[in-house]
Amino acid sequence: DAGVIQSPRHEVTEMGQEVTLRCKPISGHNSLFWYRQTMMRGLELLIYFNNNVPIDDSGMPEDRFSAKMPNASFSTLKIQPSEPRDSAVYFCASSWGGGPYEQFFGPGTRLTVL
Amino acid sequence: KQEVTQIPAALSVPEGENLVLNCSFTDSAIYNLQWFRQDPGKGLTSLLLIQSSQREQTSGRLNASLDKSSGRSTLYIAASQPGDSATYLCAVPPLYNTDKLIFGTGTRLQVFP
Repeated sequence: DAGVIQSPRHEVTEMGQEVTLRCKPISGHNSLFWYRQTMMRGLELLIYFNNNVPIDDSGMPEDRFSAKMPNASFSTLKIQPSEPRDSAVYFCASSWGGGPYEQFFGPGTRLTVL
Repeated sequence: KQEVTQIPAALSVPEGENLVLNCSFTDSAIYNLQWFRQDPGKGLTSLLLIQSSQREQTSGRLNASLDKSSGRSTLYIAASQPGDSATYLCAVPPLYNTDKLIFGTGTRLQVFP
């Protein structure tokens, strides 16, 4: 199994631009998580999907952030418009059974907004 | 609100030493406790998962213990090696929302030859 796949690995963009991050979870997993990691705040859960349905999006910082999971093998996290304070590493993780079960993380996308 | 703290924030030791990393949580109502490893520029790798009913879990040179009543977990690394150098994070899903992992701030470990 290839593990959780994220793309791109690095993204540099200018303030105001739209950014789309992509994730392919491990085949057979029914839960998908988007996290953000910064030096100041550590790892934070942004949104969680179960069976392609968003369950908890209370961690999404503001309306500029949106996430979709059109099918069991693909999810996107979109930031529009992007701001410098969005600069962080964004991780996608998947699991079988939800949050309390072992989560497998992707390598992350390092986003820099200038 | 659950808060998770890890001490020390950083640790540098010579190869071969036995290590103890600490994790404290404020609310003992947890579903389980998980330890992760993060290498620079990489994602997290799950190391050990201790159910709330368990006292400890072992995997190779790693042993994690859990004392729910005191809100503590320790990760013991035996005979440390340079390859153990990484950041170690603990995380708990609180019972009030088991889907949400609350992460500690991590301990950055460096093992030098």
